Amino acid sequence: DVQLVESGGGLVQPGGSLRLSCSASGFTFSSYSMHWVRQAPGKGLEYVSAITSNGGNTFYADSVRGRFTLSRDNSKNTLYLQMSSLRDEDTAVYYCLKGAIGALFSREGWDFWGQGALVTVSS
Amino acid sequence: QAVVTQEPSFSVSPGGTVTLTCGLNSGSLSTNNYPSWYQQTPGQAPRTLIYNTNTRSSGVPDRFSGSILGNKAALTITGAQADDESDYYCVLYMGSGIWVFGGGTKLTVL
Repeated sequence: DVQLVESGGGLVQPGGSLRLSCSASGFTFSSYSMHWVRQAPGKGLEYVSAITSNGGNTFYADSVRGRFTLSRDNSKNTLYLQMSSLRDEDTAVYYCLKGAIGALFSREGWDFWGQGALVTVSS
Repeated sequence: QAVVTQEPSFSVSPGGTVTLTCGLNSGSLSTNNYPSWYQQTPGQAPRTLIYNTNTRSSGVPDRFSGSILGNKAALTITGAQADDESDYYCVLYMGSGIWVFGGGTKLTVL
């Protein structure tokens, strides 16, 4: 079975940094794009970032571009989201998602979601 | 920036049929927006129901179906059950790698 397990969430002060990890199992990690979607408390979903299967291309939403960096280690089946210059509005549950194919864009979107990691930005 | 619109709330009787919609404030939506639908129960991660307009994700019962109705994407639930009570989100592809979610519809089964 596909499993995506996020870790690294927690409380951080505004302006601080945090790194989320997503450990994947149950599929050939190196063959699929990976994505992050976040959900602020009591709010809807926001598409944040994506990376191709080989890590060669990335996408960032305008709201995080220049502050977040997405990478992956296919030898460890792990996805990383490095977040810096964090703001109050970055407070959210961050979900790791598996893409349907290796490219950034797929008409099939994403097929599996992790359980999420809570990031709280507050002084 | 494009805004994706969904009904804030909807209710359906047990055993009934309900159609939730997903539109674009800028005009008509098409299959090239590759609409997908997700179900989220309180405190849980979302689950993929429908992708690419009308393809059910693995394990999703055929009570859930997707389509384009007029200028909107639609999610129809037939034979509604109590555990269908959830938030439902659609997402549309805007090009250039950008996906935009709707605000979600809270479905009540009563």
